[in-house]
Amino acid sequence: QQPVQSPQAVILREGEDAVINCSSSKALYSVHWYRQKHGEAPVFLMILLKGGEQKGHEKISASFNEKKQQSSLYLTASQLSYSGTYFCGTATDSWGKLQFGAGTQVVVTP
Amino acid sequence: NAGVTQTPKFRILKIGQSMTLQCTQDMNHNYMYWYRQDPGMGLKLIYYSVGAGITDKGEVPNGYNVSRSTTEDFPLRLELAAPSQTSVYFCASSWNRGNEQYFGPGTRLTVT
Repeated sequence: QQPVQSPQAVILREGEDAVINCSSSKALYSVHWYRQKHGEAPVFLMILLKGGEQKGHEKISASFNEKKQQSSLYLTASQLSYSGTYFCGTATDSWGKLQFGAGTQVVVTP
Repeated sequence: NAGVTQTPKFRILKIGQSMTLQCTQDMNHNYMYWYRQDPGMGLKLIYYSVGAGITDKGEVPNGYNVSRSTTEDFPLRLELAAPSQTSVYFCASSWNRGNEQYFGPGTRLTVT
């Protein structure tokens, strides 16, 4: 079963903050975050692993609560370039086959 | 490096026709993947490969076939196109299992 993302969409003014959540009904090994701009390919943002390890861009912050099977992505002091659809992908083992959520559309306005 | 390239960018097929979507990566990645993305939805894994000669089914493999004869190439074959296969298809690759995936630009396929 695919993970559930919330909210489905959010509109921000430049400089505002937002949180995107990703929840799974299964125990997770890792959570991946990608951003996709309209008509383009998804681009990697971050991986959060069971045990606390993180790999990704320094300007992106995220958390992973293993017990709650949830991850959150934090958009801080948003910029126009943050606009796009954010997807979480979850893996239940170290293999890393991902199941993706339906996405959260983020629109940042001037 | 070109990264992951896909051809064609767009294609219209008639029901029952066949075609092959091409995917090539020049990063010497072992792992390669095919996803489909329906409008307003997330990505669903069709097939994946862990190296030349080794492929396996993902979440939605019905109606598709793959092969991997080289590290670089991972074509996806549609044998009898159906309207339900109208979607955007993305190929991706990663160095190792669980690592970040690099996506190609996608192929937009319409079956009418």
